[in-house]
Amino acid sequence: DAGVIQSPRHEVTEMGQEVTLRCKPISGHDYLFWYRQTMMRGLELLIYFNNNVPIDDSGMPEDRFSAKMPNASFSTLKIQPSEPRDSAVYFCASREAGGPFEQFFGPGTRLTVL
Amino acid sequence: GEDVEQSLFLSVREGDSSVINCTYTDSSSTYLYWYKQEPGAGLQLLTYIFSNMDMKQDQRLTVLLNKKDKHLSLRIADTQTGDSAIYFCAEIHSGAGSYQLTFGKGTKLSVIP
Repeated sequence: DAGVIQSPRHEVTEMGQEVTLRCKPISGHDYLFWYRQTMMRGLELLIYFNNNVPIDDSGMPEDRFSAKMPNASFSTLKIQPSEPRDSAVYFCASREAGGPFEQFFGPGTRLTVL
Repeated sequence: GEDVEQSLFLSVREGDSSVINCTYTDSSSTYLYWYKQEPGAGLQLLTYIFSNMDMKQDQRLTVLLNKKDKHLSLRIADTQTGDSAIYFCAEIHSGAGSYQLTFGKGTKLSVIP
């Protein structure tokens, strides 16, 4: 398996623009997670899905952020409109349903909002 | 407060042993993990330990778990320059039938040649 795939790897955009980040989990994994990593706050869980259904979105910072998982092999995280404080590295991770519950991370998308 | 705490920096000389420490708060955690993040990359699982174990060894890596003190450590023997990275400790939380990870802020290991 190719592992978790994320695109794009880097995104530079201007404040106010819409940003869409994409993730393809490992085939057969039932759970998908979106994280944000910054120097100040570390690694934060934004939202996670189980069998394509959003389970907990309490980590989503505000209504400008939305995530979808239309099928088992694809998820998107959208920011609209983007702001400079959204600049961070966004990671997608996936795992199987059972123990030891280890999560496999993608390479991340580095987002810069000017 | 922080659920998982780690010191932010550690510097060691090549060939020495590195010990990265972590404290956690959830006594019901069934698994604890160590992840490694190299520059520009995602987190890579290094090893994990089940809560009924005190120690786990995997080649140069030794994980020690003290459940009484809620303390986890990762020892890297014969540290190499390729070990320079950020190391994250994580514990698992269970709730509503699901299991989620809580990560520390990471310890940046610098290996001096």
